[in-house]
Amino acid sequence: GIQVEQSPPDLILQEGANSTLRCNFSDSVNNLQWFHQNPWGQLINLFYIPSGTKQNGRLSATTVATERYSLLYISSSQTTDSGVYFCAGGRPNQAGTALIFGKGTTLSVSS
Amino acid sequence: ETGVTQSPTHLIKTRGQQVTLRCSSQSGHNTVSWYQQALGQGPQFIFQYYREEENGRGNFPPRFSGLQFPNYSSELNVNALELDDSALYLCASSGVGGNGYTFGSGTRLTVV
Repeated sequence: GIQVEQSPPDLILQEGANSTLRCNFSDSVNNLQWFHQNPWGQLINLFYIPSGTKQNGRLSATTVATERYSLLYISSSQTTDSGVYFCAGGRPNQAGTALIFGKGTTLSVSS
Repeated sequence: ETGVTQSPTHLIKTRGQQVTLRCSSQSGHNTVSWYQQALGQGPQFIFQYYREEENGRGNFPPRFSGLQFPNYSSELNVNALELDDSALYLCASSGVGGNGYTFGSGTRLTVV
């Protein structure tokens, strides 16, 4: 099956710093997504980004599908950015649209 | 537009018991997926339902079963609970092709 590797596993930042999170896939996926899990366990969909670049405020993401990786950029980080960031992907029509998640990057932003 | 709601939020069960978790999908979504998230791990796919039929299953034993109803809401049933079943159970609904994946807040199950 598809393996998803996320790096770094942990990240500690001061408020205002920028960061880049990376996600590598062992095989091609075409419904790659990034999620943020808040301290209460809710997974929030940040980006649906099978390829290309998208931006939403201080967050942006880039997926290079031919090289099987995706990057999530967080600029001017805030304490509310803390939590676990997951990337996930899968293949439609193989186990439906099931997503395979990485182990996540735990981000801690201090003021 | 309503989001995905799950119930109950927390549950404590004894080993060997059975449990039913419930999920209401987001308006306009016809696919529901269930995931198990152990502490410190990413969510693991259990199974998915599309138009009341199972549409894919992960590596979970048959004592994990599910249903989807005509209004696209869903249930996850787990029989013969084991201590390792303690986890956060997440339900997600999505539209065609996996876009718009929306998760509920989860049910935290503790088996003692």
